[in-house]
Amino acid sequence: SQQGEEDPQALSIQEGENATMNCSYKTSINNLQWYRQNSGRGLVHLILIRSNEREKHSGRLRVTLDTSKKSSSLLITASRAADTASYFCATGDSGGYQKVTFGTGTKLQVIP
Amino acid sequence: DADVTQTPRNRITKTGKRIMLECSQTKGHDRMYWYRQDPGLGLRLIYYSFDVKDINKGEISDGYSVSRQAQAKFSLSLESAIPNQTALYFCATALRNTGELFFGEGSRLTVL
Repeated sequence: SQQGEEDPQALSIQEGENATMNCSYKTSINNLQWYRQNSGRGLVHLILIRSNEREKHSGRLRVTLDTSKKSSSLLITASRAADTASYFCATGDSGGYQKVTFGTGTKLQVIP
Repeated sequence: DADVTQTPRNRITKTGKRIMLECSQTKGHDRMYWYRQDPGLGLRLIYYSFDVKDINKGEISDGYSVSRQAQAKFSLSLESAIPNQTALYFCATALRNTGELFFGEGSRLTVL
């Protein structure tokens, strides 16, 4: 079964609005990452947050991590049409082997 | 040139045929991964390798085998392809201790 589950599965917003995606996972982790995928293309790494961190920022991205709830959120501020893509969370296992397991993804559409 | 190169990019084959998907990288990373992507299921880990002598099964290894011919090359084989192996396959690499994955552009396989 998938380690991570994203919510919502799909999200449609107007350009300029903020987009929030959530990820829940099942087992202990070393880190949690977010990736972006444009339709049918390879995934691109956005941001990584370690298990001992609670919040991280990168440009218009803000990621939070709550290990007690086994959940994370990705906030994209001031969205642009070019942000339209699928977004996946991925967890690196805590066993030191960095087996990276992906969630099911959120499909974001930003309407110009 | 792409850092992570997958060949072929598209392949149509028939049930029972042997198929090999190849991945090569110029990033110098020691860790390599094969994932399968199906609509609505996100990415599922097939096999991963931390060096030439270390190969591990992922979530869905049945029906697949791999070969790490060199640090830079990691091949995925389907010994006898079946229709439910129709999917988009991704190779990814990672540097030890960083966790961030770098993806190829994918190999779309259709088994008739």
